[in-house]
Amino acid sequence: DAGVTQSPTHLIKTRGQQVTLRCSPKSGHDTVSWYQQALGQGPQFIFQYYEEEERQRGNFPDRFSGHQFPNYSSELNVNALLLGDSALYLCASSLMYFHTFGSGTRLTVV
Amino acid sequence: DAKTTQPPSMDCAEGRAANLPCNHSTISGNEYVYWYRQIHSQGPQYIIHGLKNNETNEMASLIITEDRKSSTLILPHATLRDTAVYYCIVRIPNSGGSNYKLTFGKGTLLTVNP
Repeated sequence: DAGVTQSPTHLIKTRGQQVTLRCSPKSGHDTVSWYQQALGQGPQFIFQYYEEEERQRGNFPDRFSGHQFPNYSSELNVNALLLGDSALYLCASSLMYFHTFGSGTRLTVV
Repeated sequence: DAKTTQPPSMDCAEGRAANLPCNHSTISGNEYVYWYRQIHSQGPQYIIHGLKNNETNEMASLIITEDRKSSTLILPHATLRDTAVYYCIVRIPNSGGSNYKLTFGKGTLLTVNP
């Protein structure tokens, strides 16, 4: 059973550009959450999608947006990239008691 | 979600038990204690969770004090592959369409030495 898959694994973008990250949840999971992890810090919650709607949102600007598709997969979009957006972006899917995380996308903004 | 306090780092000898403490003095009655770990450059991995009774699975044991203000994660026979950052999180478990976020602190870096 494939777990959570994220693509791409690594990405380099220039300041001001836009980026889209993708996530396929674990089979049977209906909820997808996105987290940003800066170097040396714990993951920080960005937002969560359930039934194709954003259900919760963390303290992130509107430059961060997302989408969930009918097959439960999800995208994270970041516009007008800043150097400070460089981080590991983690996707987690869940059904009941615990989250299953993917290995993340390492985004570097130069 | 209640806040947690963990030591920033701990060492453990390979083959010995690793006991990782967590304080969560403001935990509310319906919040569970969850433990995740993150091995370098990977996503966090669920380990175990509990409400008030001690729990054990194939990975670890979770001991929660009677007043629920603290807990200890026990890895009974630590191996080098257990070297990771361990996060203690308290939260309300999922309920129907409500799926609660995880609030991570900085966790405890456990280093297992040969």
